[in-house]
Amino acid sequence: DAGVTQSPTHLIKTRGQQVTLRCSPKSGHDTVSWYQQALGQGPQFIFQYYEEEERQRGNFPDRFSGHQFPNYSSELNVNALLLGDSALYLCASSLGPLAGAHEQYFGPGTRLTVT
Amino acid sequence: GENVEQHPSTLSVQEGDSAVIKCTYSDSASNYFPWYKQELGKGPQLIIDIRSNVGEKKDQRIAVTLNKTAKHFSLHITETQPEDSAVYFCAASIENTDKLIFGTGTRLQVFP
Repeated sequence: DAGVTQSPTHLIKTRGQQVTLRCSPKSGHDTVSWYQQALGQGPQFIFQYYEEEERQRGNFPDRFSGHQFPNYSSELNVNALLLGDSALYLCASSLGPLAGAHEQYFGPGTRLTVT
Repeated sequence: GENVEQHPSTLSVQEGDSAVIKCTYSDSASNYFPWYKQELGKGPQLIIDIRSNVGEKKDQRIAVTLNKTAKHFSLHITETQPEDSAVYFCAASIENTDKLIFGTGTRLQVFP
């Protein structure tokens, strides 16, 4: 049973560029949440997708956007990259809000470095 | 909004000793409290969780306690082993929102 997978593992971008990160949820899960983890900090919630719609959003600017596909996989897009966007981006999957259980399982993350 | 405080930030113990990490939360509506272990270069791994209708939960050497009145919850690891060395995060959420608010983490070092 495959866990949560993310790609790429590492990424280096220049300020002002755009980046797309990808996530495939754990088998059987239909909800994907994205988190940003700065060095030495706890993960910060960016947003969550369920049924191909953004269900919730944290305190992140509109430069951060996402998408969920019919197979439940998801993308995180960040436009106009800033140096402060350098972080580990984590994807977590879970069962949907009707399932009752809310355990979130994280992938290994994508390390984004903005120069 | 919800805020989660976590202490201590670092914890060093001898192998075989117990380790305790404590968290407090601010939003009384929070009712789901997971704990994650994060090893270097990896994503957080769910190790145990507790819901607000339960005061204590145990899984082998790991236990979590919850005091809803004081808005405190704690992770207890007994008989620590070197492989328990990692960063541990507590989190809180309001069930059905799935928006986890994390603490700042505790770096646990277990010395042989």
